[in-house]
Amino acid sequence: DIQMTQSPSTLSASVGDRVTVTCRSSQIINTWLAWYQQKPGKAPKVLIYRASRLESGVPSRFSGSGSGTEFTLTISSLQPDDFATYYCQQYNSYSRTFGQGTKVEIK
Amino acid sequence: QVQLVQSGAEVKKPGASVKVSCRASGYTFTAYYVHWVRQAPGQGLEWMGWINPNSGGTNYAQKFQGRLTMTTDPSISTAYMELSGLTSDDTAVYSCARIRDSGDVADAFGVWGQGTMVTVSS
Repeated sequence: DIQMTQSPSTLSASVGDRVTVTCRSSQIINTWLAWYQQKPGKAPKVLIYRASRLESGVPSRFSGSGSGTEFTLTISSLQPDDFATYYCQQYNSYSRTFGQGTKVEIK
Repeated sequence: QVQLVQSGAEVKKPGASVKVSCRASGYTFTAYYVHWVRQAPGQGLEWMGWINPNSGGTNYAQKFQGRLTMTTDPSISTAYMELSGLTSDDTAVYSCARIRDSGDVADAFGVWGQGTMVTVSS
């Protein structure tokens, strides 16, 4: 099975900060990677698919990059609504795997 | 609009089984695989498996092999997830999900059910 490793697990930041979350896969997954945002008690919401494509309706301050085994989610200027937990997910194989999550907290 | 509506919360004893339903509306049920994902309290997302409502074919995460069964009833656009041999470690919110409406064979999850809390306690 493909393993996904996210870092950091927790990130403290202030409004306006540039924030970067990293995700590494144990096998090459090309660009079959998605990023989700989850708030407490809510279903995850897809932000990025195919590693770098912005989902419709998602603010342009979110961006994704990478291919192969290393991927990055960047929030260019953190907003109050962005404090949440972020997950990467691979969909390269018959199976799916999530990263363990990155909680973005208020500094 | 596209929706996945799940059955209500469950409380089960250790060793029991639980069956959660996921009713789809707003799209052709047999055109999209249904995936199941769970999240234990305070923990991350864990993919459990998928079912192809068109063929009944399934693919389960290795961790759940032998005690997970996914089925569908296309006549009522409903998918089911049954987990047996429950322990306290199975206490979690169980959610069904479907991929985005992109036309791609594989894609990110764009539609989610509201989640079903399953509590395993003696």
